[in-house]
Amino acid sequence: DTGVSQDPRHKITKRGQNVTFRCDPISEHNRLYWYRQTLGQGPEFLTYFQNEAQLEKSRLLSDRFSAERPKGSFSTLEIQRTEQGDSAMYLCASSPEVGREGGDTQYFGPGTRLTVL
Amino acid sequence: AQTVTQSQPEMSVQEAETVTLSCTYDTSESDYYLFWYKQPPSRQMILVIRQEAYKQQNATENRFSVNFQKAAKSFSLKISDSQLGDAAMYFCAYRWLGTGNQFYFGTGTSLTVIP
Repeated sequence: DTGVSQDPRHKITKRGQNVTFRCDPISEHNRLYWYRQTLGQGPEFLTYFQNEAQLEKSRLLSDRFSAERPKGSFSTLEIQRTEQGDSAMYLCASSPEVGREGGDTQYFGPGTRLTVL
Repeated sequence: AQTVTQSQPEMSVQEAETVTLSCTYDTSESDYYLFWYKQPPSRQMILVIRQEAYKQQNATENRFSVNFQKAAKSFSLKISDSQLGDAAMYFCAYRWLGTGNQFYFGTGTSLTVIP
């Protein structure tokens, strides 16, 4: 079990550019979540996948944001036309399916820190 | 709407002493989980302890224990025999069993451990 990994760990971009982040969940976990965390705040939910299906999206996820999990394994989060307000830590978490050990808990990755200049 | 409130932005404790971090939440549901996560500086969030709302017995994990008061919607974390490695942001989180799966987090408490 190598844990949840995220890439890159840090991203600096200019306003208006597109960025894409990747999350690799724990291998046997079928559920995957994206959160955004700004300074001094707790994580805020963005979206949730069960296998390859995106089942929930927060109102925080504007039309500039899109997430995919095409094969039910890794996931990508893309932000188009970045704005300075997008600067934050983007966290990914995963869980095994309901009913399995740990199924009620989310396991977090180290996050991708985005800075938009 | 579910909200989680941590009213202590910062706390400090002497090494080897005990500290309690507060958390309250608002929900109209009866079946849910509560969690405390630890986020060390520049490191990832780690689960500290979890509590099922249907269990009256307070959860305990080594030096960490909770005081779960369901009627009061209170979920505090007690850290006994504090160690330097306990220094971190601590987040309280709520998850309703009936919804998709998202967690609702508080704003966190920054814990400093004084040698």
